Amino acid sequence: GENVEQHPSTLSVQEGDSAVIKCTYSDSASNYFPWYKQELGKRPQLIIDIRSNVGEKKDQRIAVTLNKTAKHFSLHITETQPEDSAVYFCAAGRVNTGFQKLVFGTGTRLLVSP
Amino acid sequence: DSGVTQTPKHLITATGQRVTLRCSPRSGDLSVYWYQQSLDQGLQFLIHYYNGEERAKGNILERFSAQQFPDLHSELNLSSLELGDSALYFCASSGGPALYNEQFFGPGTRLTVL
Repeated sequence: GENVEQHPSTLSVQEGDSAVIKCTYSDSASNYFPWYKQELGKRPQLIIDIRSNVGEKKDQRIAVTLNKTAKHFSLHITETQPEDSAVYFCAAGRVNTGFQKLVFGTGTRLLVSP
Repeated sequence: DSGVTQTPKHLITATGQRVTLRCSPRSGDLSVYWYQQSLDQGLQFLIHYYNGEERAKGNILERFSAQQFPDLHSELNLSSLELGDSALYFCASSGGPALYNEQFFGPGTRLTVL
């Protein structure tokens, strides 16, 4: 079945450092790759996504890269801040008209120390 | 607030019992997704409904069932409950037939099976 592996499971950085989270997926038909941030006790929220026809996307301090050949995608956070501390989930899936099936990774707990 | 509502917020029940979780999507959203989040696992996709029709299934147990009603709200029914069913259950909703619609998560229902 479809599978998404996410690494590392925990990541501790100093404020101002960069953080990188990596995911690999198994379903070569996947065409959508969102990243969700879940703060403690709260709901997951989309922070950035990338489609299969794009190799890189950036939104302020957050960027995502996709390597379809290797079935690998990554989240990059620059100039980290304490409020970036949360669990981050990658997901990969197929989307079509009226259809969306996402497989999530197991999450990365990011801790940014002041 | 994402606009997605879930009731109840907490549910405590005993093994062997049956419960119903309810989700109301954002106004205008046609899709509803159900996820299970356990302590040691990420978000497990259960099922996707679009405008009343089942569109995708994940690792949903046979003891679990769901439906989406004409007013687009959805219910997840869990029966013959086991200790291992204790988890946080999220529903999410997304918009119309366009591709790559962001999933907006509700606040979740925490189920505890004793």
